[in-house]
Amino acid sequence: AQSVAQPEDQVNVAEGNPLTVKCTYSVSGNPYLFWYVQYPNRGLQFLLKYITGDNLVKGSYGFEAEFNKSQTSFHLKKPSALVSDSALYFCAVRVYGNNRLAFGKGNQVVVIP
Amino acid sequence: DSGVTQTPKHLITATGQRVTLRCSPRSGDLSVYWYQQSLDQGLQFLIQYYNGEERAKGNILERFSAQQFPDLHSELNLSSLELGDSALYFCASSAVWSSGGSGELFFGEGSRLTVL
Repeated sequence: AQSVAQPEDQVNVAEGNPLTVKCTYSVSGNPYLFWYVQYPNRGLQFLLKYITGDNLVKGSYGFEAEFNKSQTSFHLKKPSALVSDSALYFCAVRVYGNNRLAFGKGNQVVVIP
Repeated sequence: DSGVTQTPKHLITATGQRVTLRCSPRSGDLSVYWYQQSLDQGLQFLIQYYNGEERAKGNILERFSAQQFPDLHSELNLSSLELGDSALYFCASSAVWSSGGSGELFFGEGSRLTVL
């Protein structure tokens, strides 16, 4: 079954430093991978996706993600974190056979001023 | 704004009661998904509908049911409510792949249910 794992509960980073949020996946077949962000008391907002093509995917708000097939990873990155990036980040994978997404547990990102 | 509308935003009710959550998908989206978010369980998939038909079922309790109507809006019915049902319930919609959709789900702002 398709699944993703987000190994860290919380990521703390100083403002202006690079931000990385880790995600590994387990799929049979080609993975369709997604990142979402959730701000307090809000719904999930789509950031970016990997379907096929370039391993480096660029998304919203300056985020990008690197697909690595050999390491089965899809880490989210941002070169310079902002305090406003503090939020809950979810990695997700499309479940084969229908369009639903299976989500990881989420990572709380705290950007320290 | 994702284009997905959920009502009500907040709901407080007592154990044993029944509530209905409503979702209007993005214009043109045929698929609707319901997810439950709680602190201890994370984001759990409940059920999916496609053009009025149930397409996939996840960790949905027998006390819960859903349907999608001809105008494509969906309702999630929660009955015999328990304290543990307190959670944020999200609806999401997506376009079909054959009509240009590329897999991402668009989420509403959620309905926060508190069972006292």
